[in-house]
Amino acid sequence: EAQVTQNPRYLITVTGKKLTVTCSQNMNHEYMSWYRQDPGLGLRQIYYSMNVEVTDKGDVPEGYKVSRKEKRNFPLILESPSPNQTSLYFCASGKSYEQYFGPGTRLTVT
Amino acid sequence: GQNIDQPTEMTATEGAIVQINCTYQTSGFNGLFWYQQHAGEAPTFLSYNVLDGLEEKGRFSSFLSRSKGYSYLLLKELQMKDSASYLCAVRELNTGKLIFGQGTTLQVKP
Repeated sequence: EAQVTQNPRYLITVTGKKLTVTCSQNMNHEYMSWYRQDPGLGLRQIYYSMNVEVTDKGDVPEGYKVSRKEKRNFPLILESPSPNQTSLYFCASGKSYEQYFGPGTRLTVT
Repeated sequence: GQNIDQPTEMTATEGAIVQINCTYQTSGFNGLFWYQQHAGEAPTFLSYNVLDGLEEKGRFSSFLSRSKGYSYLLLKELQMKDSASYLCAVRELNTGKLIFGQGTTLQVKP
């Protein structure tokens, strides 16, 4: 089954404790991206990747890192999480004309 | 600058037709997406327009006018399950970034 998977789905952590949210797709897509969704602000792009070893900043990259060492995986790294990074995070992958979202990761930073 | 505008909320009756508008201003244009998102779930791809005109897919159609910076999503024969948020997103030509509008929450009433 073609899909985008994210782990974990839910995470509660404390300020400053490094964490990684994994994202994997099995559709051989070159394009992958991370978004955060907050009430009243909609979906905002954090980082995106057009291909392996190519990553670019989206609209809200501060406090986040990504890597794209292989086509199927695109992890999101929070080196020192802060409460303002409490949000719902979505990973997506796709071709030029369609995109698929993962199920989301709800992160709470206390 | 970048700007995507959609109505915040709409209400329609089961069985009716509803049109959700989206206007945009971006630095170069390389396609417009529509997504459906039910509360607490991931966005689901509905349509993609890159050329002017109407794209029809079952009960859903999407229209694009690049000269006017305008798109609409048309939902026919509304069903209760169509109650959701509908997100308009534009891809920038030079960067490949995907920029989302705030979304339109549609409530379908019996």
